[in-house]
Amino acid sequence: DAGVTQSPTHLIKTRGQHVTLRCSPISGHKSVSWYQQVLGQGPQFIFQYYEKEERGRGNFPDRFSARQFPNYSSELNVNALLLGDSALYLCASRLNGYTFGSGTRLTVV
Amino acid sequence: AQKVTQAQTEISVVEKEDVTLDCVYETRDTTYYLFWYKQPPSGELVFLIRRNSFDEQNEISGRYSWNFQKSTSSFNFTITASQVVDSAVYFCALSEDAGGATNKLIFGTGTLLAVQP
Repeated sequence: DAGVTQSPTHLIKTRGQHVTLRCSPISGHKSVSWYQQVLGQGPQFIFQYYEKEERGRGNFPDRFSARQFPNYSSELNVNALLLGDSALYLCASRLNGYTFGSGTRLTVV
Repeated sequence: AQKVTQAQTEISVVEKEDVTLDCVYETRDTTYYLFWYKQPPSGELVFLIRRNSFDEQNEISGRYSWNFQKSTSSFNFTITASQVVDSAVYFCALSEDAGGATNKLIFGTGTLLAVQP
């Protein structure tokens, strides 16, 4: 079975732009969560989706949004990018435990 | 509020030494889960263990062992006979048991373990 897959692996954007990150969970996993990991810190919870519904949201501004599709894949969108949005964005799918993807490293310049 | 503290920012040991990574947590929930993850330079978080709050038995898996003590709210991780391949950042995390609702992971700030040959 494939693990959690995320795309792209690396991305460079300019301040003010918009970005879309993608995640495909492990087959059969209906829950997807997004985390932001700034360099030198632990991951911070952004969103959780279960069965296409938002089940939780972390302390992030409205510039951050997400959705989950019928096949349980998910997108994380960030508008009006700031330099501080530069981070590793991790997606996790959950059945009994949490399995993380390798992440998307976003650099905002 | 839930919180996880990993006081050790960096640890450096020589290969074959034993090393213990500390984790202290705070929660008001009576049912919760504790986790350890390994993050190598590639960035992926590798799951190591999950314990629930009702199971205080220590666990051993090969060179890895975990000591869970509710009385001190600690969940420490020991690597015996460390190897260079153990070099990574290790995260302790906490999750409340919310059934099918939000059960986000609260991570500590991580401990960077460097094992020198």
